[in-house]
Amino acid sequence: GDSVTQMEGPVTLSEEAFLTINCTYTATGYPSLFWYVQYPGEGLQLLLKATKADDKGSNKGFEATYRKETTSFHLEKGSVQVSDSAVYFCALSDYNNDMRFGAGTRLTVKP
Amino acid sequence: SAVISQKPSRDICQRGTSLTIQCQVDSQVTMMFWYRQQPGQSLTLIATANQGSEATYESGFVIDKFPISRPNLTFSTLTVSNMSPEDSSIYLCSVQDLYEQYFGPGTRLTVT
Repeated sequence: GDSVTQMEGPVTLSEEAFLTINCTYTATGYPSLFWYVQYPGEGLQLLLKATKADDKGSNKGFEATYRKETTSFHLEKGSVQVSDSAVYFCALSDYNNDMRFGAGTRLTVKP
Repeated sequence: SAVISQKPSRDICQRGTSLTIQCQVDSQVTMMFWYRQQPGQSLTLIATANQGSEATYESGFVIDKFPISRPNLTFSTLTVSNMSPEDSSIYLCSVQDLYEQYFGPGTRLTVT
């Protein structure tokens, strides 16, 4: 079945460092891809999404490009802030609207 | 978008008891989902609850343990029955809107 494999954490960066969190997927069709963020003590929030190949999702300085040829949707940010410390989940949604989540990557940004 | 609220936000319960979690949405939605997030883990889908039909449970989850109600298009409840410490998790309600899912803030359950 469909699945998402996400870079294992935790990831610790200094403020203003470049961030990449890798995400690859396996799907039989053409899923929509998502990044969700979970701040400490809160529920999941949609960070960005892409619904077809070569789409780029972006929000709050984060970007991810839907790469069908490499089945990837890596999350990037050029300069992280302490406030970006959270757990990030890659996810896909197939034609049945079933959502599959990656294991989550905990990011800690130090000042 | 959809705004989701859950009650309670957290609870500490004794083993063997049951807890009912409420999920309220600010708009009418067809598909509602209940997830479990165990400590340090990703989300696991418990069941899909559509109004007017029985909930559909994922492998490893059964109705006797996690009964679900869906009385209308804006409300659902999940009951965690006969709780044990292994049920200590965050329980999240989610709704589907076109191709996007929105999540509630979660209910943090601790079973002692």
